[in-house]
Amino acid sequence: GAVVSQHPSRVICKSGTSVKIECRSLDFQATTMFWYRQFPKQSLMLMATSNEGSKATYEQGVEKDKFLINHASLTLSTLTVTSAHPEDSSFYICSARDLLSGNTIYFGEGSWLTVV
Amino acid sequence: KQEVTQIPAALSVPEGENLVLNCSFTDSAIYNLQWFRQDPGKGLTSLLLIQSSQREQTSGRLNASLDKSSGRSTLYIAASQPGDSATYLCAVSLGREGIFGKGTRLHILP
Repeated sequence: GAVVSQHPSRVICKSGTSVKIECRSLDFQATTMFWYRQFPKQSLMLMATSNEGSKATYEQGVEKDKFLINHASLTLSTLTVTSAHPEDSSFYICSARDLLSGNTIYFGEGSWLTVV
Repeated sequence: KQEVTQIPAALSVPEGENLVLNCSFTDSAIYNLQWFRQDPGKGLTSLLLIQSSQREQTSGRLNASLDKSSGRSTLYIAASQPGDSATYLCAVSLGREGIFGKGTRLHILP
């Protein structure tokens, strides 16, 4: 079964609103989680690294104020898309690293965001 | 910098045929490699996970191999079915984040 749960799997929101996506590690504690975005006909690209108890590390070109990441516990990281714009419509996926299983990274199933 | 390449980008085969999808990576220092399936408008489904110490994993009609030294992995699908039509992604883990290939769009012809 899934060891990383991502919610919601699909969400539609209005332009200008904010939407939150949750990523939970179910069977292990994850001090580090990762957020990716998939652009049309492109691969999944890393957006940011979420670190428990500290600030996230963003990849070049990713707006920190646009994509807020919070990693408040060892099993939960959240991605909040603020002031959503239709251009933010995309597939977002998270992953979590299990240090106790050889640094295996488990992926969530992903979330489809549509901004209308 | 690690790069992951999947060839071919798209593939169409008649139902019932066996097929092989390829994934190559430039840095052999990986922790593991995963194969995923993505259906249009759906999420990712993990198919097989191969740890760096392993050479292959099997699940039903799927078999994935890993050759770290040559930077290659293959996903073998036996007796293909129309329901296998999807995009298949491979991702390598460096112990930090995972790096994905662009995927192979597979279409099984009935």
